[in-house]
Amino acid sequence: QQPVQSPQAVILREGEDAVINCSSSKALYSVHWYRQKHGEAPVFLMILLKGGEQKGHEKISASFNEKKQQSSLYLTASQLSYSGTYFCGVGNNYGQNFVFGPGTRLSVLP
Amino acid sequence: EAGVAQSPRYKIIEKRQSVAFWCNPISGHATLYWYQQILGQGPKLLIQFQNNGVVDDSQLPKDRFSAERLKGVDSTLKIQPAKLEDSAVYLCASSKPGRSSHEQFFGPGTRLTVL
Repeated sequence: QQPVQSPQAVILREGEDAVINCSSSKALYSVHWYRQKHGEAPVFLMILLKGGEQKGHEKISASFNEKKQQSSLYLTASQLSYSGTYFCGVGNNYGQNFVFGPGTRLSVLP
Repeated sequence: EAGVAQSPRYKIIEKRQSVAFWCNPISGHATLYWYQQILGQGPKLLIQFQNNGVVDDSQLPKDRFSAERLKGVDSTLKIQPAKLEDSAVYLCASSKPGRSSHEQFFGPGTRLTVL
């Protein structure tokens, strides 16, 4: 079942902050975050694993609430390069049955 | 290290024709994924391989799509016959195997247009 993302789209000025949410109706073992720029392939940002382990990006942070089956991606002091579509992806505890969310389109304006 | 390679980058075919896409994953990555991404949507997993065995193909339309991964390295995805709704970007990704989830590295994709 596909996770739900919110908001669908957001427009920011450089330096502003944004939060993108991802929620699932089924238990989460891992949450992936990817960014995709127009015409390019998705690029890995971060993984959050059940139990608190995180692997990821220096300038982007995320949280994972296993109980609420939610994850949030925090983009602080956004830069023009942050523009793109952000996808969360969820899988089982073996990284199988992987499903991406519908995406959140982020536009950062100068 | 070299990334995930895919070919061709673009393909235009008529409906009811056949088409095949090729993927070479990152060296040492035992897990390989094929995704279909329709414009404006998130990637949809078609099939996942662990070495040369299929782990998940629950969303693969098996009446027209097939995939193989001989020798656990390169993989080929085939569509036969193609329909108009198959127009999409087909992404291949690879990752390390393991009990915990690992990041997926994506290839540049093949953009398929079915006329």
